[in-house]
Amino acid sequence: ILNVEQSPQSLHVQEGDSTNFTCSFPSSNFYALHWYRWETAKSPEALFVMTLNGDEKKKGRISATLNTKEGYSYLYIKGSQPEDSATYLCAFYNQGGKLIFGQGTELSVKP
Amino acid sequence: EAQVTQNPRYLITVTGKKLTVTCSQNMNHEYMSWYRQDPGLGLRQIYYSMNVEVTDKGDVPEGYKVSRKEKRNFPLILESPSPNQTSLYFCASSFIAFANTGELFFGEGSRLTVL
Repeated sequence: ILNVEQSPQSLHVQEGDSTNFTCSFPSSNFYALHWYRWETAKSPEALFVMTLNGDEKKKGRISATLNTKEGYSYLYIKGSQPEDSATYLCAFYNQGGKLIFGQGTELSVKP
Repeated sequence: EAQVTQNPRYLITVTGKKLTVTCSQNMNHEYMSWYRQDPGLGLRQIYYSMNVEVTDKGDVPEGYKVSRKEKRNFPLILESPSPNQTSLYFCASSFIAFANTGELFFGEGSRLTVL
């Protein structure tokens, strides 16, 4: 069974703090790494899809990096805002065709 | 509007009563997939489909069936539901089937309770 691990499980920060989470995945048979943002009572929405070692992607205050050789990806949020409160999911896609999700990091940003 | 539509959104049923959760997408996506979400376990893949008439098991397929007779539809069938299938179910679809470097578009979720 392929394991995708995310840390920390939950995070509480103050408005304006910058923060980052980790996603660890198997380094073999890598195809793609996805990041999703999941707000309570809504559906997950894609943030990034990353495929190349060394990839860096950015969307507003959120950015992500990818290291496929060592099997990890970081998600950064600069200057957190209350509306950033959500669960952030990563998902690993291998050459076998399955997309495997981590358990997520639950972020709470206090005003 | 591009969307993935699931029905029903909420359902309470009894053990053994067959039910179907429908999923339809209007984006001409080749790849479709079903997930269940349980507390502490994250999203787990039930079945997925790379194209019409092609389906494969995910990590937790037991007790479920799917079919892909048309590109836009991917229903999830519970032939004889049991209480351990009480969960929140998501259908999702994606543009690029084989490489799956395309992002997933999720439906709004179906909360199923089996008594």
